[in-house]
Amino acid sequence: ETGVTQTPRHLVMGMTNKKSLKCEQHLGHNAMYWYKQSAKKPLELMFVYNFKEQTENNSVPSRFSPECPNSSHLFLHLHTLQPEDSALYLCASSQEQVGTQYFGPGTRLTVL
Amino acid sequence: DAKTTQPNSMESNEEEPVHLPCNHSTISGTDYIHWYRQLPSQGPEYVIHGLTSNVNNRMASLAIAEDRKSSTLILHRATLRDAAVYYCILRDTGNTGKLIFGQGTTLQVKP
Repeated sequence: ETGVTQTPRHLVMGMTNKKSLKCEQHLGHNAMYWYKQSAKKPLELMFVYNFKEQTENNSVPSRFSPECPNSSHLFLHLHTLQPEDSALYLCASSQEQVGTQYFGPGTRLTVL
Repeated sequence: DAKTTQPNSMESNEEEPVHLPCNHSTISGTDYIHWYRQLPSQGPEYVIHGLTSNVNNRMASLAIAEDRKSSTLILHRATLRDAAVYYCILRDTGNTGKLIFGQGTTLQVKP
C-alpha cells in the first residue's frame, strides 16, 4: 500500500467513549501532521511531529491526545469529546517540516 | 502569517482553460506561493508552488506577478475531475513552513 492511509474512515462515538484514530505513511517521511476540517471552515492545523517529537500543538484541547511511536505512524487518542468536535480529521506527512505535504483521505468523526 | 484572498467560487466549461486568481499583497520576500486542491471526499493534494518565476508541471501552471502580490493557477484544459476546492497558500519555508489554509475557491466544471 502506498501514500498516507487513515483508519477508520468513519467513526461515530458518544461523549463518554474513548477511541483512537490511526494514520500510517508509506513514503519514508519524517514529519507528520493532524488537521481538523469542520463544516464550512478552513482546515486547522492541530499537531506537528518531526522525527517522532512534537514540534507544534496549536492550542488543542487536552481531550485530543496525539501519539507518534515512530516516523511512519501517528495516532490521535480521543476521550470525552463534545458534539462540536465532529469533523473530518486529516493526517498528512512530509519528508521534512518544510516539504510538500501528502494527505490521507481523512476520518469522518461524529460525536453524539 | 501572510494572508491570501481568493474568489469563493468559479465555474468553467469542460476542456476549456481555467484561471484561478489569488491576491497576496502582504507577501514577504521569503514566502513561497503554494497551491493545493481538495477533491470531494478526499484530503488535499499538492498542485504546484513557486517563488518568483512562472512554473509548469503536469497538473497546472503558476503565473506569478512581477511584484509577487498576486498569482494565477492555470488549468490548461479543465476536466470534470478538476472540480475541487483550490487553496492558495503562502508558506515561509525559512520558518516552520506551516500550511495555513483559507476558504479557497470552489471550482465547478460543467460538461
